[in-house]
Formats: sequence, structure tokens, C-alpha cells
Amino acid sequence: SYDLIQPPSVSVSPGQTARITCSADALSKQYVYWYQQKPGQAPVLVMYKDTERPSGIPERFSGSTSGTIVTLTISAVQAEDEADFYCLSPDSSGTFWLFGGGTKLTVL
Amino acid sequence: EVQLVESGGAVVQPGGSLRLACAASGFNFDDYAMHWVRQGPGKGLQWVGLINWDASTTFYIDSVKGRFTISRDSSKNALYLQMHSLRTDDTALYYCAKDNRDGGFDYWGRGTLVTVSS
Repeated sequence: SYDLIQPPSVSVSPGQTARITCSADALSKQYVYWYQQKPGQAPVLVMYKDTERPSGIPERFSGSTSGTIVTLTISAVQAEDEADFYCLSPDSSGTFWLFGGGTKLTVL
Repeated sequence: EVQLVESGGAVVQPGGSLRLACAASGFNFDDYAMHWVRQGPGKGLQWVGLINWDASTTFYIDSVKGRFTISRDSSKNALYLQMHSLRTDDTALYYCAKDNRDGGFDYWGRGTLVTVSS
């Protein structure tokens, strides 16, 4: 089966850089999409097609890939960035979608 | 402005049925596939299924296949999720989401809560 693996938690101090990884099955690597979800709110798209940032998302958010690992990087982290982050990707057919287990970003 | 507003969530007994609706506005509803995503209490996001732009194709995760049906009404700009044979593990906040031309889902509603409990 196809899995997207994320670390359960990442903690950084304000002003530092947070890196959240999403590891995909080598045979099924498709584009990855990232969502930020704050408590009690709907998810918000913060990165699409691995490295593309939607309009309105701060430049502090960036994406990168290395093999089958996709990384969401948040530079100069602010307290307001604290949230759960989820990666999303389709399976090899592009038909079924799967979320990673989510990463809780804590700003110390 | 794109808006998606879900409704229909309720408390239902195991084995019961429920129909959720999602009212869409601010975009050409007929041009986009639509998705349902759910989130159990304290849990992560789970994609439930999709319906393509003209309702000719639907896909579902295995755990809901045969129990859930996604449909849409272009005359009402509405998306639906008909749920039958509900189980306690279907308890979740159900979101509708708009397909993004670049992939993924770009707009989400605020969700509607379904609780399956006796």
C-alpha cells in the first residue's frame, strides 16, 4: 500500500527554521501538497506541486524535494505558525488521494 | 470569493443513515471535481472520495465503498455525501473541498460534524 510518512512533531524556537518532511513510496512518487491546520479551523493550502507557493502564503514557506522525500521549510518561524501540517499526494494512478499522518509544529 | 458551506451533520445511531450537503459559491461549480475529507476527533485528515466535474465518475476509500455515495447537483451548485450503515468509526468532522487545477484541494469548507453513537 501507498504511505506518506511524516514525523509526529517538530519543535523550534521563534526565528529558527522548521523543516517538516513527507516521505513517499519510491514507486508512487507524485506531487505533494502541504496543508496547515490551526485548532478549530479548516486546513489551508500552503504549498502545491512540491515547491509552488499559493498567493497569500508568506515567502517564509518554501518546499523542496530530494528523491522521495519532500520537505516543507518555514524560515524565521513565528508563534502564529504553530499548527498541524499535513502532506497530501495522489496514488500512482492519480485517482486516490492520501494524507500523511500529520506533524504538530510547536513554537517554543 | 469561493465559499463552501457544509450542513447535515448530526448524531446518528450505528447502522443509521445521513446525507451531508455542501453549498458552493464564488466559482464555476460545473468546472471542478469535488472531494469529501473527514477528520476523526483528535485524529488526522482522511480523504473519503471524489466526484468528477460532470458526475460521471466517483472514487471512494475502501472503508466507505458500498456505504457512501457522492453526488452533485449543478442546478443548485451543491455537493452531497449520502452515508448508510454508519459505524462508530465514521464519527468525524466532514469537510468538502474544491479540486485545484494544479492538483490537490485549494478551498475547504468549515466542516459538519457526524457523530455515530448509541
